[in-house]
Amino acid sequence: DTGVSQNPRHKITKRGQNVTFRCDPISEHNRLYWYRQTLGQGPEFLTYFQNEAQLEKSRLLSDRFSAERPKGSFSTLEIQRTEQGDSAMYLCASSLGAGAQEPQHFGDGTRLSIL
Amino acid sequence: GQNIDQPTEMTATEGAIVQINCTYQTSGFNGLFWYQQHAGEAPTFLSYNVLDGLEEKGRFSSFLSRSKGYSYLLLKELQMKDSASYLCATSYIPTFGRGTSLIVHP
Repeated sequence: DTGVSQNPRHKITKRGQNVTFRCDPISEHNRLYWYRQTLGQGPEFLTYFQNEAQLEKSRLLSDRFSAERPKGSFSTLEIQRTEQGDSAMYLCASSLGAGAQEPQHFGDGTRLSIL
Repeated sequence: GQNIDQPTEMTATEGAIVQINCTYQTSGFNGLFWYQQHAGEAPTFLSYNVLDGLEEKGRFSSFLSRSKGYSYLLLKELQMKDSASYLCATSYIPTFGRGTSLIVHP
């Protein structure tokens, strides 16, 4: 069990560029979550997958954000036409099953900085 | 909608006991989690409550009252390494509070 892996760890880009992040969950975990976290705040829910199906997407998420989990294993989060307000830590988490009691295991995150 | 409220910061002395409170308002409820997050690191799971009452796990205990929309995390025999942010989160459409920054001093 190598834990949840996120790449890259850091991403610096100019405003207006597109960025893509990758998350590899713990291998037997069915659920995968994406969050955004800024300094002094808790993680803000963005979306989650049950296997390859995207079951919920935050209403706060603009249409510049899209996430995929094509084979029910790794997932990607893409942000198009980045804005300075997108600067944050993007966290991925996975959990074993669909049960509400399953704890989430977090990756170390991708820190995005928009110049 | 979902709303979670917890204190921003608390301080305590090494060896003491501290209670971190959390109140929540949710449109649905499937349980409540507590996570610990050290600065610059990912959150790690501490506890889960779905029924009313106290769940004890070593130095950490968590309490839930569903009728009051209230939970607390109790940390005993505080150690310096317990200095971290403690996040309260509901399980239904995962929603995290902003976290309580706990500072443990000698």
